[in-house]
Amino acid sequence: DIVMTQSPDSLAVSLGERATINCKSSQSVLSSSNNKNYLAWYQQKPGQPPKLLIYWSSTRESGVPDRISGSGSGTDFTLTISRLQAEDVGVYYCQQYYTTPRTFGQGTKVEIK
Amino acid sequence: QVQLVQSGAEVKKPGASVKVSCKTSGYAFSRYAMHWVRQAPGQRLEWMGWINAGDGYTKYSQRFQGRLTISRDTSASTAYMELTSLKSEDTAVYYCAREIRDCTNDVCYNRWFDPWGQGTLVTVSS
Repeated sequence: DIVMTQSPDSLAVSLGERATINCKSSQSVLSSSNNKNYLAWYQQKPGQPPKLLIYWSSTRESGVPDRISGSGSGTDFTLTISRLQAEDVGVYYCQQYYTTPRTFGQGTKVEIK
Repeated sequence: QVQLVQSGAEVKKPGASVKVSCKTSGYAFSRYAMHWVRQAPGQRLEWMGWINAGDGYTKYSQRFQGRLTISRDTSASTAYMELTSLKSEDTAVYYCAREIRDCTNDVCYNRWFDPWGQGTLVTVSS
């Protein structure tokens, strides 16, 4: 199974400042057939299901604000919230869909400082 | 709009079984796959298995082999997850999550989960 490891486990950021979350996979999730990284990011707010933010490691889902961006390739990925807003508070998960079983990172909790 | 609506919370005793439903609307049910993912208190999201809503093919995580059955009723656009021999460690919120089936020339490509059901809390306690 591909193990997904996020860092940090939690972070507190001031409103308007940058939040950076890292995700590392135990093996590459880059497909040689289409040169795409099979990596998604989700946001989960308390009492709600996860919500898709990013797929193909950097493609923003429709309706996701452009202050949220994804980057990285192979085994190392980053989710960046460039100017933290109050509604960005929650837990963020990376997920690989390169292979089954689909696996998730342990989550990173983002709070307001 | 696309909706996945799950059945309500359950309380079960150890050794019992639970069956959770995921009723869908707003899209062509048979053209997608449905996955089940659970989240135990304080734990990461854990993938359990999936079903191809079109042909009923299923695949399960080895962790749940023998205890998990995922099924679907295409006439009702509903997917089901049944877990047997429940233990206290099965206490969790269970989610269904849709995945588009992207297939070309009988080769299918994995995709992300979107959207997710609202979740069903299953509590296992004596």
